[in-house]
Amino acid sequence: EPEVTQTPSHQVTQMGQEVILRCVPISNHLYFYWYRQILGQKVEFLVSFYNNEISEKSEIFDDQFSVERPDGSNFTLKIRSTKLEDSAMYFCASSEAGLPEQFFGPGTRLTVL
Amino acid sequence: AQSVAQPEDQVNVAEGNPLTVKCTYSVSGNPYLFWYVQYPNRGLQFLLKYITGDNLVKGSYGFEAEFNKSQTSFHLKKPSALVSDSALYFCAVRGDGGSQGNLIFGKGTKLSVKP
Repeated sequence: EPEVTQTPSHQVTQMGQEVILRCVPISNHLYFYWYRQILGQKVEFLVSFYNNEISEKSEIFDDQFSVERPDGSNFTLKIRSTKLEDSAMYFCASSEAGLPEQFFGPGTRLTVL
Repeated sequence: AQSVAQPEDQVNVAEGNPLTVKCTYSVSGNPYLFWYVQYPNRGLQFLLKYITGDNLVKGSYGFEAEFNKSQTSFHLKKPSALVSDSALYFCAVRGDGGSQGNLIFGKGTKLSVKP
């Protein structure tokens, strides 16, 4: 069964450093998403992406964040200058055109020191 | 404002007994409702959805959920719990119900099934 994959599973970085989190969505899916879950809190929407552009973003997704689909398979989330409060589990998800359910990857745990 | 509430932090059930995990929602327009399950160190796994039609929807692993429009609820149920059902369960609603939009999640309910 096709799955969303994410790398790395755990990323440790120093405050102020740039990080790139990588995702490979399910191959026939056209809509891509990033969510995050701070420890002990709700899963929160960050951004959705379709047809090579952002279709929706939350207020969390400020200028420090960017997304890119650099090739036909990868979908990345970049945090330009990490802050302590960016420490969270970051989930990538994808969905098929016309179907509302989103399929999630296993997550990347980001720790900012 | 659109929101999802899961009033129970934890639900404890004996194996073989029925289980219910509660969810209520607030959303403008017609809701698209979902249940996801998260096992330790794993991602969110889709269980079932309600879009329209029959109020009782069936999903993976014997789970089902009942949509109740008047009570704005979408409770997850299973007739006979298994120890392997122990996990974190999230209810989610689509933002506006009309586009391929973002999901709004509840805070999660930890289900513990004891032998």
